[in-house]
Amino acid sequence: AQKVTQAQTEISVVEKEDVTLDCVYETRDTTYYLFWYKQPPSGELVFLIRRNSFDEQNEISGRYSWNFQKSTSSFNFTITASQVVDSAVYFCALSEAQTSYGKLTFGQGTILTVHP
Amino acid sequence: KAGVTQTPRYLIKTRGQQVTLSCSPISGHRSVSWYQQTPGQGLQFLFEYFSETQRNKGNFPGRFSGRQFSNSRSEMNVSTLELGDSALYLCASGTEGSRSTEAFFGQGTRLTVV
Repeated sequence: AQKVTQAQTEISVVEKEDVTLDCVYETRDTTYYLFWYKQPPSGELVFLIRRNSFDEQNEISGRYSWNFQKSTSSFNFTITASQVVDSAVYFCALSEAQTSYGKLTFGQGTILTVHP
Repeated sequence: KAGVTQTPRYLIKTRGQQVTLSCSPISGHRSVSWYQQTPGQGLQFLFEYFSETQRNKGNFPGRFSGRQFSNSRSEMNVSTLELGDSALYLCASGTEGSRSTEAFFGQGTRLTVV
């Protein structure tokens, strides 16, 4: 069965600090997708990134970057020069080809607070 | 392009009652999934519909049911409400059930059972 673990329950940083959110996953499927979502206080889950199991190339998008390592089953997310608006709950999620890409398994989430 | 719309946004019900939540997916999306979010259990998958057929179901009791209409709009129903059903219910839509690699979420319906 698939599982996603976000060991960090809460992280607190001061604005302009870099912060890395950890995500470790378990799956028996060889074809799967990994996601990061952001949930601001409004409640809507905002899509940040998707990575498939065959693409280990790391990605940078503005202040965001992602480090996918199949060898350690990790998909970590870094925010560079954090801002107060980055304060939210961040979720890592997994979907598998064998079940359905429409079924996401989420981690418990990491509450990020960025102080001015 | 309109996003995923969930109605109502907030709902208060009494134990034992039943409730129906609605989700209108993004135009052209045929896959709709439902999730329950609670402080204790986090985000848990309820079920997924594609072209009016249930493709997957999570580990929830039979009191939780859903359906999808020909226009891809979906409803979920919870019968005989319990206090523990109080949660944020999120709906997500995707472009295709078996290949959808990105789920767009609505703002959710916050259900309070008293």
